Amino acid sequence: DTAVSQTPKYLVTQMGNDKSIKCEQNLGHDTMYWYKQDSKKFLKIMFSYNNKELIINETVPNRFSPKSPDKAHLNLHINSLELGDSAVYFCASSQASPADSQETQYFGPGTRLLVL
Amino acid sequence: AQSVSQHNHHVILSEAASLELGCNYSYGGTVNLFWYVQYPGQHLQLLLKYFSGDPLVKGIKGFEAEFIKSKFSFNLRKPSVQWSDTAEYFCAVNERSVYNQGGKLIFGQGTELSVKP
Repeated sequence: DTAVSQTPKYLVTQMGNDKSIKCEQNLGHDTMYWYKQDSKKFLKIMFSYNNKELIINETVPNRFSPKSPDKAHLNLHINSLELGDSAVYFCASSQASPADSQETQYFGPGTRLLVL
Repeated sequence: AQSVSQHNHHVILSEAASLELGCNYSYGGTVNLFWYVQYPGQHLQLLLKYFSGDPLVKGIKGFEAEFIKSKFSFNLRKPSVQWSDTAEYFCAVNERSVYNQGGKLIFGQGTELSVKP
């Protein structure tokens, strides 16, 4: 009965490869997010989608491309992986609409990406 | 730019000790405030949140936090910690403004709490 789920949980890959991380939420929320947690545990937002529409796009390299096939899913595709991409990636969802920030965000378990 | 600062990187306490974790933010407008906890190997869970009203908010597991607007602070407290409170604690803020479409959260760098049995 996981509310926000991510796959895979662990991902080890070589530099230069392309990989995807999937996220699904069964909470009926309209907004989904991707956050990156670096080695110092700093969490920073990357993207936000509301009803499949991109709302927030922080200064993230364009090697990172989010894709939202429907409002319950937000996948993250990363091209040409670099060593600095190693991090934990968290997906989250909330009931927030674009004009409303007063909603709790619910986080997935994280995907630990290691680029060798 | 907005920022959130958590003063303590690592706090070590014995069971039954009292806890206070500091959190300050830099934003002059209206904000929503959150504390999240990340237990070892688990995802972030909401401990408590403040949107408006009584500045003293109570959360799960006996935690509470006090919003002091004049000090831009939202410190987390617990009168008596348990070994099971060992975790990473994150303070987070989002600004309540038309410019914050979708509610972007700004996180502090986290405080690792270790409770000795």
